[in-house]
Amino acid sequence: QKEVEQNSGPLSVPEGAIASLNCTYSDRGSQSFFWYRQYSGKSPELIMSIYSNGDKEDGRFTAQLNKASQYVSLLIRDSQPSDSATYLCAVVDSWGKFQFGAGTQVVVTP
Amino acid sequence: DAGVTQSPTHLIKTRGQQVTLRCSPKSGHDTVSWYQQALGQGPQFIFQYYEEEERQRGNFPDRFSGHQFPNYSSELNVNALLLGDSALYLCASSFNNEQFFGPGTRLTVL
Repeated sequence: QKEVEQNSGPLSVPEGAIASLNCTYSDRGSQSFFWYRQYSGKSPELIMSIYSNGDKEDGRFTAQLNKASQYVSLLIRDSQPSDSATYLCAVVDSWGKFQFGAGTQVVVTP
Repeated sequence: DAGVTQSPTHLIKTRGQQVTLRCSPKSGHDTVSWYQQALGQGPQFIFQYYEEEERQRGNFPDRFSGHQFPNYSSELNVNALLLGDSALYLCASSFNNEQFFGPGTRLTVL
């Protein structure tokens, strides 16, 4: 079992719609969670961090964390073609190591 | 304020050779981590340096070694290169847990 799992996609989303990305993790002691966006050929860019159960909103992005279910998600509202990228879920495990999922590719269609 | 910088941008080596990659962290960041990202995969943690010491290490062989200098910059060394070492090598600097990535070094081993 991989430590951080994401659906690989591609997730096709019409422009203006909501994109919903999911991530599960195996280490119940994990305390810090991050979403990164990676454009093709570029390095990952930090979008959101979340540390407590519940929702955290930043502009068009909302991160949701449920530690009991070991689940973290990212919602992208009013999706734009510029949101087309791979979204990486990262979890800091109980040893303090960053563990990344393989990423979900999002394609926003005009 | 310069972000994380890495050099070189691209590198081509042959099997058996050795390579050194360099990273300068974001201003104010004292922790540097190195990742290997193969095509279509998430970044894989190699190791992390803090106060010139290797603090954490991922599942990489001893051929991968590193160093952190007093100014917090860091080097990643890979000996006896294999074809499978071809990847994007990412450096990330952090302060208070949030990691920011440099542009990466694309290593091709022929």
